Amino acid sequence: QSVLTQPPSASGTPGQRVTISCSGSSSNIGSNYVYWYQQLPGTAPKLLIYRNNQRPSGVPDRFSGSKSGTSASLAISGLRSEDEADYYCAAWDDSLSDLYVFGTGTKVTVL
Amino acid sequence: EVQLVQSGAEVKKPGESLKISCKGSGYSFTSYWIGWVRQMPGKGLEWMGIIYPGDSDTRYSPSFQGQVTISADKSISTAYLQWSSLKASDTAMYYCARPPDSGYYPVYWGQGTLVTVSS
Repeated sequence: QSVLTQPPSASGTPGQRVTISCSGSSSNIGSNYVYWYQQLPGTAPKLLIYRNNQRPSGVPDRFSGSKSGTSASLAISGLRSEDEADYYCAAWDDSLSDLYVFGTGTKVTVL
Repeated sequence: EVQLVQSGAEVKKPGESLKISCKGSGYSFTSYWIGWVRQMPGKGLEWMGIIYPGDSDTRYSPSFQGQVTISADKSISTAYLQWSSLKASDTAMYYCARPPDSGYYPVYWGQGTLVTVSS
């Protein structure tokens, strides 16, 4: 069902920068904001980025988001062991009323 | 403090019915939609649908239309997700979520309800 495509995995050593891509279409990313969630094992998703590049209070500035056309990306700089988690992009999709679509998810591993 | 508290884990047999709940507290329940999200074992997040508790207006993702029913009882600030005949493929973690005060995206999440369907 996922209409947003992410790489299945990404990895880096502590302190490195990791970037995760999210590819969509004109009906979702192309015309709406992008959101990013972090999901630690056994827990509910947590909002990391909203409205393409805004961080909720409490989210470290090591996390940053960007969007261009029908694609978006999440960057994690200064990678830390606690960043090891699954990351999902998301956006509303204009093809149907109140349809929220998630990305396929990316597992980030800290080597 | 905004809280969404979901009902406990369920173990059911194929063909049985089930209704799980999501109780909102710390805010005006009728002022914010509640969305439901499925996560099958080892898989990603899937949007199932949304309900506006104020008038019970409900929208379903095409993948879930006709497969589940989303409802709400505003008198007890609770949203529901129900199945009339469970299948093994319904085995998953189910989350409810609501938006922030100024925004239209899931930010507050319930703790999840694990549904296991097995004969």
